[in-house]
Amino acid sequence: NAGVTQTPKFQVLKTGQSMTLQCAQDMNHEYMSWYRQDPGMGLRLIHYSVGAGITDQGEVPNGYNVSRSTTEDFPLRLLSAAPSQTSVYFCASSGLAGRETQYFGPGTRLLVL
Amino acid sequence: SQQGEEDPQALSIQEGENATMNCSYKTSINNLQWYRQNSGRGLVHLILIRSNEREKHSGRLRVTLDTSKKSSSLLITASRAADTASYFCATVNTGTASKLTFGTGTRLQVTL
Repeated sequence: NAGVTQTPKFQVLKTGQSMTLQCAQDMNHEYMSWYRQDPGMGLRLIHYSVGAGITDQGEVPNGYNVSRSTTEDFPLRLLSAAPSQTSVYFCASSGLAGRETQYFGPGTRLLVL
Repeated sequence: SQQGEEDPQALSIQEGENATMNCSYKTSINNLQWYRQNSGRGLVHLILIRSNEREKHSGRLRVTLDTSKKSSSLLITASRAADTASYFCATVNTGTASKLTFGTGTRLQVTL
């Protein structure tokens, strides 16, 4: 099992550009989520999904879109990048609607100039 | 807003000593989880303790939960340099199933 994979590992964007952060898991988990981590802070939930076709907003959803067309994939789209979105982004997956252990990907470092 | 607050924010100890980190939270929980993050890496799950449990052990790790005080502690015994990392508590709150809310973390430095 590869677990949770994320691509790219690092990305530089200019303000206003759009991009998609990819996340995939091979554990057949129904629950997937996206977090961002800023320096000196814990993780903040952006969006999450309890199954294919179902998504919901987390704590900091503005500026981000998600979709869940398959169980395995949960891409995060930045619509129009802003410097405030410079952060490290983590994807995670879990069974039992997110109540149980979450498995994290290695992260994507995003720099918006 | 972040649910958990870890205390202390940073902790420096020598190898072989015990390290204790505390987590306080604000609302009733379904469970509380502890994670470790090595610098620049993803988070790794350590222990999950449910609201009806008071203590759990895993190897050198011991977690306690006091729901009346809305607090939890993580004890690492006989620490090693490899334990150097940031440690986060995270809660699944009652009524908000499917959301894991993280604290701000404790940075642990274990020196030789």
